[in-house]
Amino acid sequence: EVQLVESGGGLVQPGRSLRLSCAASGFTFDEYAMHWVRQPPGKGLEWVSGISWNSGRTGYADSVKGRFTISRDNAKNFLYLHMNSLRAEDTALYYCAKGKLGIILEAFDIWGQGTMVTVSS
Amino acid sequence: QSVLTQPPSVSAAPGQKVTISCSGSSSNIGINFVSWYQQLPGTAPKLLIYDNNKRPSGIPDRFSGSKSGTSATLGITGLQTGDEADYYCGTWDSSLSGYVFGTGTKVTVL
Repeated sequence: EVQLVESGGGLVQPGRSLRLSCAASGFTFDEYAMHWVRQPPGKGLEWVSGISWNSGRTGYADSVKGRFTISRDNAKNFLYLHMNSLRAEDTALYYCAKGKLGIILEAFDIWGQGTMVTVSS
Repeated sequence: QSVLTQPPSVSAAPGQKVTISCSGSSSNIGINFVSWYQQLPGTAPKLLIYDNNKRPSGIPDRFSGSKSGTSATLGITGLQTGDEADYYCGTWDSSLSGYVFGTGTKVTVL
């Protein structure tokens, strides 16, 4: 069964850091691009970041550029999102999503259930 | 604010058809493939349509997609109560060098 399981969310103070993880199983992880997409409570979807199959290309939304870093470990089948200088507006449910291809331009065909990040003092 | 505009809501009776529009620009829909996602209440999004009009395995042919110029459309025929959900369009924006989602449309079955 193809599965993505996120972890690492929680309550964090503004300005602090957090690392999200996504464990992938059921498919050949190193053949596909991977992404993080977030959804603030009661609001729409926002793409956060994507990484190509071999980490050769990464992309970030302007809202997180310079603060968040995406990475992957193809040997362990894990995707990560390192989040620094967190702000209240980063509060959201963070989804891990699999790209249909190895490049980051394509659609997301598998989604995890999400991990909640709350930034508040 | 999203660069892809969708109507906030659409509704129809069971068995009827609804269409959802997604308006973009020459840097996104105009030159890249469009996808559509369905998000049932309290669940993660699910891919409904990719590459403008292709359906992943398991998605019924009641769902269809099309694209013309800088706009795309999702159609749902034979509307069912189980189709009540939020629907989002999405595509790559070559100017922003990032993926963009539409504002989202809530489908209500009357």
